[in-house]
Amino acid sequence: QKEVEQNSGPLSVPEGAIASLNCTYSDRGSQSFFWYRQYSGKSPELIMSIYSNGDKEDGRFTAQLNKASQYVSLLIRDSQPSDSATYLCAVNPGGYNKLIFGAGTRLAVHP
Amino acid sequence: DVKVTQSSRYLVKRTGEKVFLECVQDMDHENMFWYRQDPGLGLRLIYFSYDVKMKEKGDIPEGYSVSREKKERFSLILESASTNQTSMYLCASQRTGNYYEQYFGPGTRLTVT
Repeated sequence: QKEVEQNSGPLSVPEGAIASLNCTYSDRGSQSFFWYRQYSGKSPELIMSIYSNGDKEDGRFTAQLNKASQYVSLLIRDSQPSDSATYLCAVNPGGYNKLIFGAGTRLAVHP
Repeated sequence: DVKVTQSSRYLVKRTGEKVFLECVQDMDHENMFWYRQDPGLGLRLIYFSYDVKMKEKGDIPEGYSVSREKKERFSLILESASTNQTSMYLCASQRTGNYYEQYFGPGTRLTVT
């Protein structure tokens, strides 16, 4: 069973701090990795994708991938209350079109 | 910009009714997916389709069927709705290729009474 694990949270951070969200996956053949943001009652929105080891930055977001450790993370700099949401990690196992989703980490940014 | 639309945001149906949920994407994507999302259980894949008239079962297909007569449209059918099918239903679209990102519609919150 291919798995994607996330800490359910809530992760509580003060406004302006860095929020660090983590995800581990079981399939060593995984090729592509994604972070989705989901506000309460809304659908998931793709915010970051990463395909090779290292860091990828987009605005206040940085995705980090370490395939050897089977670990992917999302850093949110200068966290804002509007970043409060559930963040889903998704992984594409090698050889499949499907994505395997983690259960999500709830982030709460307090003023 | 990828756009995925779903026929209803909220739907209330009675037990035993046949329910149709429709999803349309405007980006000529080959692959389409139906998920349900429940508190504590995360996203679960019901069915997916790689091409017109093609379908494959996901992790929880029981009680559901699908139809894909046109590339842009993927329908989820609850043959006889039951209360345990009360859930948020999410459709997603994906281009065949090397990157696999999926784009979601707004979701349909279905309540079966």
